[in-house]
Order: sequence, then structure tokens, then C-alpha cells
Amino acid sequence: SQKIEQNSEALNIQEGKTATLTCNYTNYSPAYLQWYRQDPGRGPVFLLLIRENEKEKRKERLKVTFDTTLKQSLFHITASQPADSATYLCALVSNQGGKLIFGQGTELSVKP
Amino acid sequence: DAGVIQSPRHEVTEMGQEVTLRCKPISGHNSLFWYRQTMMRGLELLIYFNNNVPIDDSGMPEDRFSAKMPNASFSTLKIQPSEPRDSAVYFCASSLGRGHDQPQHFGDGTRLSIL
Repeated sequence: SQKIEQNSEALNIQEGKTATLTCNYTNYSPAYLQWYRQDPGRGPVFLLLIRENEKEKRKERLKVTFDTTLKQSLFHITASQPADSATYLCALVSNQGGKLIFGQGTELSVKP
Repeated sequence: DAGVIQSPRHEVTEMGQEVTLRCKPISGHNSLFWYRQTMMRGLELLIYFNNNVPIDDSGMPEDRFSAKMPNASFSTLKIQPSEPRDSAVYFCASSLGRGHDQPQHFGDGTRLSIL
């Protein structure tokens, strides 16, 4: 069956360090992968989209990689700040119908 | 620019009552999505519309759930009759195109509690 897995445990890091979040998938052949941020009581906010023919994408302190051989995407936040504390969701395009399927999310906590 | 607007933000009602959730997408977006989020199941797509036409409703859990999009600026998700297991946060999102190769813009959700 199709599955998307993100770190189920919360990630706690020190301010200034690089946070790395993982998204693994099975039985998908996604053409696109998206990352979203969600704060408590708010809807998800789009961060980055990466295509299958792109190995890496950057936006300010954010970097996403997409390895279709390993079936994995890594999401990095460099020089992390307490304001980066949130839940981060990855989302893949389903093989059927093109709809987005979301992972469960990883909660990131950046301590000052 | 106004984002996706959902109403109400919170709804508490008794089992068996009809519940109607409302959504106004971003102007110019031609796809609209309804999601449900729970701790157990995460964020699940219920139904999505493209150009006001329902494209995929395979995520709608039961016949008790229905969704309409009478025009490009308004959609409703209705639950009748409601049950306690319907308690969740319901999100509406909109996007350009079909949404999988474009960012989806989410509202802040309706927190629904069925007693």
C-alpha cells in the first residue's frame, strides 16, 4: 500500500543549528513533492515544491532535496530560530487522480 | 490580498444536527479542496473541485457528507446527521490549476465538536 512517513517524534534543536526533517514514501512515483508549515490553530502554509527531475531546491534558509531512488525527501532549515518552531508536513501527488496526500508531520522545536 | 476564508471558526453542536461549513477561496483560483485533520489520521482530502465541478470525492467518508460549489467564490461542506466521530478540524484550500503542481492555500479551518 502507499505510505508516507515522517519522523513521528518531535525534533528538538538548539537555535542556530540546522534542522533536518525526513519524508520517506513507498509505492509512489510522485512527479512533485511539497512541504508545508503548520502552526497551532492555523492552516498549513506552503513552503516549497520540488519536481522529480530537481535534486535540490532552496529558498532563503530552507533547502529541500528529492531522491527518487531512495524514495526520500529531506527538508533543511539552516541557522534555525525559535520562530521556526512548528509542524512541518510533506505532501506527495497520488498515483491516482493527482491529488495531494499529506504525511503526518514532524513537530520541530527550536530552543533559544 | 485576502486568503481563503472559512466560517465558522468553531462549531459545537449535538449529535444528529446538521452542520454546514463554508469556504470562500482566493479570487482567481480554479481548484478548491476540503480536508479533515485529526490526530489519528492526519490531514485527509475529502473532495476537490476544479472549475466548480467535483473531480474526486473518494475521500468523503459517508453519504452523510456532501459538498457543493455553486460558483467560483463559494463552497459548502455539509454533514447531516452529524456524529461524534465527525469531530475534527476541517480545512478548505484553493489553488491555481489542479493543485498538485501548484501551492495550495489553506484557510484557518473550522474546529468542529459533535457532542
